[in-house]
Amino acid sequence: NAGVTQTPKFQVLKTGQSMTLQCAQDMNHEYMSWYRQDPGMGLRLIHYSVGAGITDQGEVPNGYNVSRSTTEDFPLRLLSAAPSQTSVYFCASSYSTGGRQYFGPGTRLTVT
Amino acid sequence: EDKVVQSPLSLVVHEGDTVTLNCSYEVTNFRSLLWYKQEKKAPTFLFMLTSSGIEKKSGRLSSILDKKELFSILNITATQTGDSAVYLCAVHNNNDMRFGAGTRLTVKP
Repeated sequence: NAGVTQTPKFQVLKTGQSMTLQCAQDMNHEYMSWYRQDPGMGLRLIHYSVGAGITDQGEVPNGYNVSRSTTEDFPLRLLSAAPSQTSVYFCASSYSTGGRQYFGPGTRLTVT
Repeated sequence: EDKVVQSPLSLVVHEGDTVTLNCSYEVTNFRSLLWYKQEKKAPTFLFMLTSSGIEKKSGRLSSILDKKELFSILNITATQTGDSAVYLCAVHNNNDMRFGAGTRLTVKP
């Protein structure tokens, strides 16, 4: 099992550009989520999904979109990048809502 | 507003010391509390607690939850330099997961 994979590992964007962070898991987990982590802060939930076709907003959803067309994949789209979105992004999955989460290796995003 | 507060924010100890990390929370519809360890990369799971008063143990680490007083503690005995990390507490509230800011533990030889 590869677990949770994320691509890319690093990305630099200019303000206003858009991009998609990829996340995939091969554990057949229903619950998937995206977090951002800023220095000195814990993880903040951006969006989550409880199953294919179902997504919802977390604590900090503005500027991000998600979709869940398959159980395995949960991409995060930045619509128009802003310097405030400079952060480390983690994707996670779990068998059930509220259970132990498995995290991907993270994507370090810099917006200039 | 739901919140999770961890204390202390940072802690420096020497090998062999025992440490206690704290996590207090205010959330509606509590479902579970989880502890994670984060070194330089992704968080790794330590414990999940759902019931009050039941201690979870794994080697030198243990954790307990008090649902009446709304807090949890993580104990590490006989600390080692490999325990140096940020320890994160997360509380699950229906579909939402709230993390605390973490406690940065540094263990000196």
